[in-house]
Amino acid sequence: LAKTTQPISMDSYEGQEVNITCSHNNIATNDYITWYQQFPSQGPRFIIQGYKTKVTNEVASLFIPADRKSSTLSLPRVSLSDTAVYYCLVGEGDAGNMLTFGGGTRLMVKP
Amino acid sequence: NAGVTQTPKFQVLKTGQSMTLQCAQDMNHNSMYWYRQDPGMGLRLIYYSASEGTTDKGEVPNGYNVSRLNKREFSLRLESAAPSQTSVYFCASSELGQINTEAFFGQGTRLTVV
Repeated sequence: LAKTTQPISMDSYEGQEVNITCSHNNIATNDYITWYQQFPSQGPRFIIQGYKTKVTNEVASLFIPADRKSSTLSLPRVSLSDTAVYYCLVGEGDAGNMLTFGGGTRLMVKP
Repeated sequence: NAGVTQTPKFQVLKTGQSMTLQCAQDMNHNSMYWYRQDPGMGLRLIYYSASEGTTDKGEVPNGYNVSRLNKREFSLRLESAAPSQTSVYFCASSELGQINTEAFFGQGTRLTVV
């Protein structure tokens, strides 16, 4: 199983760029990297997904180096409403259709 | 667009009681999942169903059973509730059984076992 490691928590201020790095040393060839966001009392919400290099959407960017052993979620100019838990997931490959979450990174955005 | 619907939203059980948590999705997804989330913790996978007619154990299956009733519905049953099962339960679904696609989550069921 591809295990992920993220910082437990991060603090930032409004207007700053936030980068959250996830380590996944045993990522498999066919695995994708996916990030979810979870607000209190809500289910997780998909943010972004990538396989290699860089992916950008209206919410975030995802940077994946050539060896794919880590990835960085970048949130530009965060606001108070970006305070949430962010989860990095890596595909389970031969394990089939499991979708497992780690502990996530608790981001606190301050005024 | 209902997405993933869970019922009930809240439930209090006495130790030893049984109950079934219901989940339905209207996106024609093949895969469905049940998670539990304890306070301040991440989500842990209880059971999943890659496609209609199949179910598999996740990380923490003990004390639970599931039924994939049809493509839309995936229920989670607690046969004899225990205080350790107090948690928030989330159901999710994704397309074609591929983990590399977006999963959609319900709003959760907050279960308290006293």
